[in-house]
Amino acid sequence: AQSVAQPEDQVNVAEGNPLTVKCTYSVSGNPYLFWYVQYPNRGLQFLLKYITGDNLVKGSYGFEAEFNKSQTSFHLKKPSALVSDSALYFCAVRDRYGGATNKLIFGTGTLLAVQP
Amino acid sequence: DGGITQSPKYLFRKEGQNVTLSCEQNLNHDAMYWYRQDPGQGLRLIYYSQIVNDFQKGDIAEGYSVSREKKESFPLTVTSAQKNPTAFYLCASSRRTGGGATSTDTQYFGPGTRLTVL
Repeated sequence: AQSVAQPEDQVNVAEGNPLTVKCTYSVSGNPYLFWYVQYPNRGLQFLLKYITGDNLVKGSYGFEAEFNKSQTSFHLKKPSALVSDSALYFCAVRDRYGGATNKLIFGTGTLLAVQP
Repeated sequence: DGGITQSPKYLFRKEGQNVTLSCEQNLNHDAMYWYRQDPGQGLRLIYYSQIVNDFQKGDIAEGYSVSREKKESFPLTVTSAQKNPTAFYLCASSRRTGGGATSTDTQYFGPGTRLTVL
């Protein structure tokens, strides 16, 4: 069965420091991987996705993520955190051969708190 | 939140009542989705529709119903049969996945509706 794990419920980082939000997945074959961000009482905003090619994917707001097939991970990173990055982050996976459903499996989310 | 609107933003319902949540998109997307979000559980798929007049159950469809009479609209009805309807409901849309199995269409989300059962 497909699954996504975000092992940390919350990540705390000081402003200006690098941040990492972890994601590991379990899916048969090669996955499509996504990161979304959610601000309080708002919908999800798309940040970036890995489809194929370069393992390092760059996305919106200075975020990037690295696909590591051997470790089945897709960690979200940013070199220098901003207080405005504080939000809930979701990792999602889709089976590359999932057919017409385009069904996403979401992790449980990681709350990022950036202290000034 | 792009070109996807959801209304109302907050909704209160008495037990035993049906309620309909609106979702409209102007992105010309064929596919639309409804998710439910509960604290600590991520998002779970309720229903999805790949094309007008067609829709399929997701993982937690019991107690919900949908219609897809127009490409831009995908309303969700929460019926009295839904045992625990209090949640944050999110609508999403994407370009239609193709006939093959390798479509990469990103889902874009609306701002959500918070439903509370009193």
